[in-house]
Amino acid sequence: AQKVTQAQTEISVVEKEDVTLDCVYETRDTTYYLFWYKQPPSGELVFLIRRNSFDEQNEISGRYSWNFQKSTSSFNFTITASQVVDSAVYFCALSEAVDGNNRLAFGKGNQVVVIP
Amino acid sequence: ETGVTQSPTHLIKTRGQQVTLRCSSQSGHNTVSWYQQALGQGPQFIFQYYREEENGRGNFPPRFSGLQFPNYSSELNVNALELDDSALYLCASSLAGQVPPDTQYFGPGTRLTVL
Repeated sequence: AQKVTQAQTEISVVEKEDVTLDCVYETRDTTYYLFWYKQPPSGELVFLIRRNSFDEQNEISGRYSWNFQKSTSSFNFTITASQVVDSAVYFCALSEAVDGNNRLAFGKGNQVVVIP
Repeated sequence: ETGVTQSPTHLIKTRGQQVTLRCSSQSGHNTVSWYQQALGQGPQFIFQYYREEENGRGNFPPRFSGLQFPNYSSELNVNALELDDSALYLCASSLAGQVPPDTQYFGPGTRLTVL
C-alpha cells in the first residue's frame, strides 16, 4: 500500500514571496519515484519535477527547487519569488515500480493562491 | 502542451446511463492510464492499458471498463452511472518498458456530471 500526505490545504502568499509545499509519503518498496504536478483552473495536470528514490541529490530548476529526505520520507517543493501565474493546486504523487505498472498515488493537493 | 487529447470536454448524463470517454496519447507513447478526480480530491487511479490489454487496476468496480486501440488511443466506459461518478476524468500517456519508468503526461480531462 502507498500513501501520500499533503497536510496544508490552502496556502496564500504575496507575490514575490517563496512558498514551500510539504509532502510525506509511505511505501514499503526500496525503489520508487516521486513527482510534483501543477493543476491550474483549466484542469490539466502539468508535470513539474520527478525524483527517483535512489538519487537523493536536491536540485533547482528555474524558480522550482525540491528537498528529498529519504530518512523522513519527505519530498518538499519550493517556488521561489512566486508569481500570480503560480496560483494553482499542486499535487505530490508516488509511483512504485511493481508488476510493470507505474500507477500514481496522489495526495489531496495544496491550493496555492498568489496575491498580487 | 503535452499532446494528450481528450474528448469530450464536458458531459452531462443521468443516473443509470452509460458513457464513453476518449483519449489520444502523446506521439511515441504506448501506454494510457485513466484517473478519476472528485471535486477537491487528488486523482485516483482507475486502470492502465498497454498493448491493448488492461495492465493494472485500482479500486473501481467492473462497470468501469476500457479499451486500447492499435494506435494506442483509449476509451473509458462507465455503465450504470451513479451520482458519485461525477468527476474530472483524466488520462495520461507514457512509454512502457523504461527504466526508471517514464513520466506520465496528462490530458486536459473530461468533466462528467451525473444528474
